[in-house]
Amino acid sequence: GEDVEQSLFLSVREGDSSVINCTYTDSSSTYLYWYKQEPGAGLQLLTYIFSNMDMKQDQRLTVLLNKKDKHLSLRIADTQTGDSAIYFCAERENAGNMLTFGGGTRLMVKP
Amino acid sequence: DSGVTQTPKHLITATGQRVTLRCSPRSGDLSVYWYQQSLDQGLQFLIQYYNGEERAKGNILERFSAQQFPDLHSELNLSSLELGDSALYFCASALGSNTEAFFGQGTRLTVV
Repeated sequence: GEDVEQSLFLSVREGDSSVINCTYTDSSSTYLYWYKQEPGAGLQLLTYIFSNMDMKQDQRLTVLLNKKDKHLSLRIADTQTGDSAIYFCAERENAGNMLTFGGGTRLMVKP
Repeated sequence: DSGVTQTPKHLITATGQRVTLRCSPRSGDLSVYWYQQSLDQGLQFLIQYYNGEERAKGNILERFSAQQFPDLHSELNLSSLELGDSALYFCASALGSNTEAFFGQGTRLTVV
């Protein structure tokens, strides 16, 4: 079955860049997503990338996709304390359309 | 605000009981997904409905059932509750079956 893996924790200083990594196993994934979850809140869709793209940039967010290595990353430029949250990587099956999530990476931003 | 509404926000109930969680999708969205988030299992897909019909099924227990009504709202029914059912239950909606999903704020279920 599909598997999505993320590192558990990342700590950065305010103003630095954060890079959150994700690996997945399903080669038929069509869309890959990044969601943000703040304490006590739901999942907020940050961005997504289609599998035929290598990179997508949206303001402070840059998503890189290495389809050969099945590796996805999310770079947050000029990280702020408000970016502290859990970030989930997810992939969507080609058929069935359910999202398979990684375990989440807790990002801590120190002032 | 994602536009997906879940009620109630919090629910505390005893083991053996039955509860119903409700989800109103974004206006115009036909697909509804249910997910369970627990500390040990992470985010697990339970079930998907599209325009009233069950579309996909994940790791949903037989004690759990769901349905989507003609007005497209959905309900997740959890019965014979056990302590291990304590979790955050999320609903998500999408326009069709091939677009991004937007999540509600979740219902936190505590079984005591």
